[in-house]
Amino acid sequence: QSVLTQPPSVSAAPGQKVTISCSGSTSNIGNNYVSWYQQLPGTAPKLLIYEDNKRPSGIPDRFSGSKSGTSATLGITGLQTGDEANYYCGTWDIRLSAGEFGGGTKLTVL
Amino acid sequence: QVQLVQSGSELKKPGASVKVSCKASGYIFSAYGLNWVRQAPGQGLEWMGWINTNTGNPTYAQGFTGRFVFSLDTSVTTAYLQISSLKAEDTAVYYCARRRVAAFDMWGQGTMVTVSS
Repeated sequence: QSVLTQPPSVSAAPGQKVTISCSGSTSNIGNNYVSWYQQLPGTAPKLLIYEDNKRPSGIPDRFSGSKSGTSATLGITGLQTGDEANYYCGTWDIRLSAGEFGGGTKLTVL
Repeated sequence: QVQLVQSGSELKKPGASVKVSCKASGYIFSAYGLNWVRQAPGQGLEWMGWINTNTGNPTYAQGFTGRFVFSLDTSVTTAYLQISSLKAEDTAVYYCARRRVAAFDMWGQGTMVTVSS
């Protein structure tokens, strides 16, 4: 059972926008940076967002991150079928002294 | 280029041991910690802990103490995960991942460990 809560699934049509939420507490999201990862089927996770809202080189600006209090959100605009994947949020939990991932959200592009 | 390359899939019997390697290249090995992440079949990501590549000091997450050992061979810029007394529930893909900018910015391709009699 993860300390970070994500919806199990989201879906939207190609070209549309979707948001994925990640809810935590003051011991994790509320006091640490959040990162987001994309895991395409059968591949390793890939960093999409770090330090709440920054994109690594090569990640298109269709992907964005935001944080407010103890919750974070990943936004994806201009959805493409290639965006179908599992998305995970991650952060550090100072109470547990451990890295933590959300349970993951499966994105379906209808 | 920066990359982490892991060893290949393993099939082990219950009670055996396995050692997974993670070779780093393209950056200063001792500059960033290396983490290990487990993903059971059809499940999410689970942080196992990390090893300080400068001091060699390992830190284990709850649930990964005792049978799990992180180690290094800095001469070949390689980190290792050893699991002893394997159980069926250890069947999973194991990833190494570099931690930088408060995130896991580089991942190995994963090593599938299957425990079956």
